[in-house]
Amino acid sequence: NAGVTQTPKFQVLKTGQSMTLQCAQDMNHEYMSWYRQDPGMGLRLIHYSVGAGITDQGEVPNGYNVSRSTTEDFPLRLLSAAPSQTSVYFCASRSGHLEQYFGPGTRLTVT
Amino acid sequence: KQEVTQIPAALSVPEGENLVLNCSFTDSAIYNLQWFRQDPGKGLTSLLLIQSSQREQTSGRLNASLDKSSGRSTLYIAASQPGDSATYLCAVKGEGGSEKLVFGKGTKLTVNP
Repeated sequence: NAGVTQTPKFQVLKTGQSMTLQCAQDMNHEYMSWYRQDPGMGLRLIHYSVGAGITDQGEVPNGYNVSRSTTEDFPLRLLSAAPSQTSVYFCASRSGHLEQYFGPGTRLTVT
Repeated sequence: KQEVTQIPAALSVPEGENLVLNCSFTDSAIYNLQWFRQDPGKGLTSLLLIQSSQREQTSGRLNASLDKSSGRSTLYIAASQPGDSATYLCAVKGEGGSEKLVFGKGTKLTVNP
């Protein structure tokens, strides 16, 4: 199993540009989520999904969109990038009440 | 609202020492608690998961305990090694259908040779 994969690893955007961070898992997990990690702020939940076709907002959803058309994929879209969205983004997945697994992260810089 | 605290924020120990990392949470209505390790520039790696009905879990030199009623968990690392240097995070999953994990901000551990 590849586990949770994320692409790209690094990305630089200009303010106002849009992009999609990709996340995929091959463990047939129903629950997937996106976090951002910033120094001093810890991990903050952006959006999550409990299954295909079902998504919900986390703590910091503004400026981000998600969709879940398949069990495997959970892309995160930045609609109009802002410098405040400079961060490290992690995707995670789990099955029910079992262990949560994280991807390697995407480092995003918005200039 | 659940809050998770990890104290200290940073810890430096000599190699070979046994050490304890602490995690406390404000709402004892949790389903489980998970300990993670994060190396610099990397993602989070799951170390141990303790269900609310369990008192402890062990994996190699790691032992995690859970006292749900007092809102505390500890991660015990035996015979620490420089390779144990990393940031350790704990996260709790609440009861009542909540799917979210609430994370502490982590303890940065440095094991000196």
